[in-house]
Amino acid sequence: DTEVTQTPKHLVMGMTNKKSLKCEQHMGHRAMYWYKQKAKKPPELMFVYSYEKLSINESVPSRFSPECPNSSLLNLHLHALQPEDSALYLCASSHPRRGLLRDNEQFFGPGTRLTVL
Amino acid sequence: SQQGEEDPQALSIQEGENATMNCSYKTSINNLQWYRQNSGRGLVHLILIRSNEREKHSGRLRVTLDTSKKSSSLLITASRAADTASYFCATDAGRAGGTSYGKLTFGQGTILTVHP
Repeated sequence: DTEVTQTPKHLVMGMTNKKSLKCEQHMGHRAMYWYKQKAKKPPELMFVYSYEKLSINESVPSRFSPECPNSSLLNLHLHALQPEDSALYLCASSHPRRGLLRDNEQFFGPGTRLTVL
Repeated sequence: SQQGEEDPQALSIQEGENATMNCSYKTSINNLQWYRQNSGRGLVHLILIRSNEREKHSGRLRVTLDTSKKSSSLLITASRAADTASYFCATDAGRAGGTSYGKLTFGQGTILTVHP
């Protein structure tokens, strides 16, 4: 299985709602990532989990709360979002890098299109 | 911040022609990767070139890397309508062996349109 799945595909939520995005992979990858992508822009890294521990938080507002329950799952909990948070949210995973020059290509899911009203 | 700059921003060609996209970056890197994104969907990894490599091929793709100029190019030969997509370069500047994950910084992307 070489696929990263994300649910839901589309999500519309109000500013007072609480929702969660889910990501799953069964490739044995131990690094998982959340990216945010606005229209016609490149993906921007939000969080990195390595071996189920949060390794990078790119100064993301606390209304975004990541969670990695196990090595296959990654969640992004959303609360009190703003309309400017509307974007495509992409999950990715990669093999852990051990030793020098280990390749670390990332495998991306199809994304969740989030609209905040 | 995005360290990669790509040009052109948009490229329109006919089927069968070659497409060349360029990427420049600012800091030293472990590797540079190219990804394709079809409209509004996830990214697909195309090819990775390490900092000690100068050229790499994969099918109709050819990537070059010039670390002295901090630049890379992606050549797609004999393009097809199905190649229509956005193409992003991404640099991994992490210390080799220093982390278990890769932190990618993406360029602004090139929108490629291939007309049948």
